[in-house]
Amino acid sequence: AQSVTQLGSHVSVSEGALVLLRCNYSSSVPPYLFWYVQYPNQGLQLLLKYTSAATLVKGINGFEAEFKKSETSFHLTKPSAHMSDAAEYFCAVTRNTGGFKTIFGAGTRLFVKA
Amino acid sequence: EAQVTQNPRYLITVTGKKLTVTCSQNMNHEYMSWYRQDPGLGLRQIYYSMNVEVTDKGDVPEGYKVSRKEKRNFPLILESPSPNQTSLYFCASGDQGPYGYTFGSGTRLTVV
Repeated sequence: AQSVTQLGSHVSVSEGALVLLRCNYSSSVPPYLFWYVQYPNQGLQLLLKYTSAATLVKGINGFEAEFKKSETSFHLTKPSAHMSDAAEYFCAVTRNTGGFKTIFGAGTRLFVKA
Repeated sequence: EAQVTQNPRYLITVTGKKLTVTCSQNMNHEYMSWYRQDPGLGLRQIYYSMNVEVTDKGDVPEGYKVSRKEKRNFPLILESPSPNQTSLYFCASGDQGPYGYTFGSGTRLTVV
């Protein structure tokens, strides 16, 4: 069965510091991987996606993620945090099993300190 | 503007009183889905639809119904709501395949 694990339900960084949000997946077939961001009182917004092209994927707002098959990971990073990055982030895995099934991680809330 | 529109945004109701949450998308997407979001559990899929008149259960379908009579609309029906259905609900739509979804702004439902 496929699953998605996000390590750390809460992450706190200082403004200007590196952001690292961790995501590990389990899948018996090559997955498609996504990161979404949810700002307060809003729906989820697609941040970036990996669909078997380049392993380093760039997304919006300066975020990027690297697909590492050997580690079954898809961690999200941003070199320098901004106050506006404070939000909840969800990792998601989509697998083609005769139809495309998507599973979301439990989410990581990012706090940015001034 | 391409969007998924959910209504209402907030709803407080009593146990057993039937309700419908509407969802409409203007992107001609074939795929639509309903999720509920609960603290610590992420998003769990309730029902999804691959196309008009084609719907299927997700991971937590009990107590919910859906219909897909038109491509743009995918309402979520709670025939007899119970307090354990208090949650934040999201509708999403997308093209068939691994392209990611567009989400609505959410409906916060409270059942008392």
